Amino acid sequence: ELKVEQNPLFLSMQEGKNYTIYCNYSTTSDRLYWYRQDPGKSLESLFVLLSNGAVKQEGRLMASLDTKARLSTLHITAAVHDLSATYFCAVDNLLRGGSQGNLIFGKGTKLSVKP
Amino acid sequence: DAGITQSPRHKVTETGTPVTLRCHQTENHRYMYWYRQDPGHGLRLIHYSYGVKDTDKGEVSDGYSVSRSKTEDFLLTLESATSSQTSVYFCAIRDRLFGNTEAFFGQGTRLTVV
Repeated sequence: ELKVEQNPLFLSMQEGKNYTIYCNYSTTSDRLYWYRQDPGKSLESLFVLLSNGAVKQEGRLMASLDTKARLSTLHITAAVHDLSATYFCAVDNLLRGGSQGNLIFGKGTKLSVKP
Repeated sequence: DAGITQSPRHKVTETGTPVTLRCHQTENHRYMYWYRQDPGHGLRLIHYSYGVKDTDKGEVSDGYSVSRSKTEDFLLTLESATSSQTSVYFCAIRDRLFGNTEAFFGQGTRLTVV
């Protein structure tokens, strides 16, 4: 059974600080996705990581993928209040030779950035 | 924004009644998904579709059925709603499974079963 585990599940940060969210997964997938969800809203795609060693950055967020370790990280630099949200990682669950598939999600990390 | 519309956006229904949620897309994407989101569980897959009239079960499919008679519509039916099906339901679409592609999500439907 494919499992995706995020930690921490809750993160309270002060503005200006750095922190990292971790996403471990149990499959051999070489792709991983990060999403952001604001309260009461839909999921917004942040990053698509397509291969081992992939690194992507957008503003104060940087995501990386290590497929050998089956680990992705989402690093937050100099946090600001606007980054408060829930962040999900997800992994492809490919079936039937890749003709079918879906995304398996972690439980999410609820980030709260305080002044 | 990807063209995905979920309806209704909010619904309150009584235990034992049938309920159908609709997901409509204008992107002509092949793959469509229904997830439910509950506190402490993240998003869990209910059913998915990999083409017109091609569907399969996900992790939490009991009590749900789906249909996809045309590319743009994916319907989720609760045949006899129960309180445990109170949740937020998200539809997602995806163009393909390989390459630089991700799933795009609808705005969600908040369903309350009383």
